[in-house]
Amino acid sequence: AQSVTQPDIHITVSEGASLELRCNYSYGATPYLFWYVQSPGQGLQLLLKYFSGDTLVQGIKGFEAEFKRSQSSFNLRKPSVHWSDAAEYFCAVGAPGDSSYKLIFGSGTRLLVRP
Amino acid sequence: GAVVSQHPSRVICKSGTSVKIECRSLDFQATTMFWYRQFPKKSLMLMATSNEGSKATYEQGVEKDKFLINHASLTLSTLTVTSAHPEDSSFYICSARPSRTGSGYTFGSGTRLTVV
Repeated sequence: AQSVTQPDIHITVSEGASLELRCNYSYGATPYLFWYVQSPGQGLQLLLKYFSGDTLVQGIKGFEAEFKRSQSSFNLRKPSVHWSDAAEYFCAVGAPGDSSYKLIFGSGTRLLVRP
Repeated sequence: GAVVSQHPSRVICKSGTSVKIECRSLDFQATTMFWYRQFPKKSLMLMATSNEGSKATYEQGVEKDKFLINHASLTLSTLTVTSAHPEDSSFYICSARPSRTGSGYTFGSGTRLTVV
């Protein structure tokens, strides 16, 4: 079964600084990988996803993520953080060979942005 | 784009009563829908996978008699919390996967359930 780890519970960055949120997964093959963002009391919004192909994936709001098979990682990056990016970020993994198509979520990383 | 509507967004109910939460895919057909539960400041815990026209598949530790799931059409899944207790208070989120392969998953905006 697949699993995903987000090692950082929370991260604080200054507005305008760069950001990297870490995500490591465990799965026997190449999984489906996702990053979602959640504002307080809201549902989840998809930032980007990786199924196959180019390992550098561009998403919405200026986010990108890079799939590194050798490191079993799918870290999320943004070159310049805006105050509105403060939220909870979840990495999720799905198993292509699993007919249930369910997603397993990491524990989340809370991003705080300093003015 | 794919939109999932979840209703209600907030509900307060008395202990012992039942509450139904609806999850609708508005502009696509969803063969599979998922129900998650999220505790405060915690991640999403998958409760069950809802498949159109068949019984839901529950994750280990989730009481199927307490959390009734019905997926009667390709655009609607419902979660009914039966005989609710205060410990059932939580944030419930549904997601849907379009029938075509290779697509992502779209999430509803969630339902805040408070049992008093």
